[in-house]
Amino acid sequence: KAGVTQTPRYLIKTRGQQVTLSCSPISGHRSVSWYQQTPGQGLQFLFEYFSETQRNKGNFPGRFSGRQFSNSRSEMNVSTLELGDSALYLCASSLDGDADTQYFGPGTRLTVL
Amino acid sequence: AQTVTQSQPEMSVQEAETVTLSCTYDTSENNYYLFWYKQPPSRQMILVIRQEAYKQQNATENRFSVNFQKAAKSFSLKISDSQLGDTAMYFCAFMIRSTSYGKLTFGQGTILTVHP
Repeated sequence: KAGVTQTPRYLIKTRGQQVTLSCSPISGHRSVSWYQQTPGQGLQFLFEYFSETQRNKGNFPGRFSGRQFSNSRSEMNVSTLELGDSALYLCASSLDGDADTQYFGPGTRLTVL
Repeated sequence: AQTVTQSQPEMSVQEAETVTLSCTYDTSENNYYLFWYKQPPSRQMILVIRQEAYKQQNATENRFSVNFQKAAKSFSLKISDSQLGDTAMYFCAFMIRSTSYGKLTFGQGTILTVHP
């Protein structure tokens, strides 16, 4: 089985722009979670989608949003980028998201200038 | 609030030796799962081992084993016969069952370096 894929792998944006990141889960997995990883804050949960519905959300501002398509692929969007949004964004997929093992993608490195 | 604490920011070990990474957590929930993930320099997060909180028996996976002390809320990882490929950042994490879908709560991580 192919693993979790994320595109693009690297992005450079300027403040005020918006960005969309994509995640394709492992075939058969219906839950997709997103995390932000920074040296200062570590790994923080953004949100989780299952069957095109957001079931859980972390403590991030409304500038961070996401969606999931019928084929379980997911996108996350960050609007009005700030310097502090520079981070590695990780996507993880699992069968149903209820305490089952999450499998991570390689991440998207976002740099905001 | 659910928290995970890894008190060792960095550790090092000689190849073929044994090392133990510490992790404590805090939750008022009773139904949860615990995980250790490793993140090598290439950045791909990989599952090392998983433990269901309702199981008293400690999980093992080849050279990796855990010491799960539920009352003490402790979940340490023991790596036996350390190999150079074990060099990575190790994260302890947990997930609450049935109420916190898709959310892993991570510790700050421990950088493990295996020396030849």
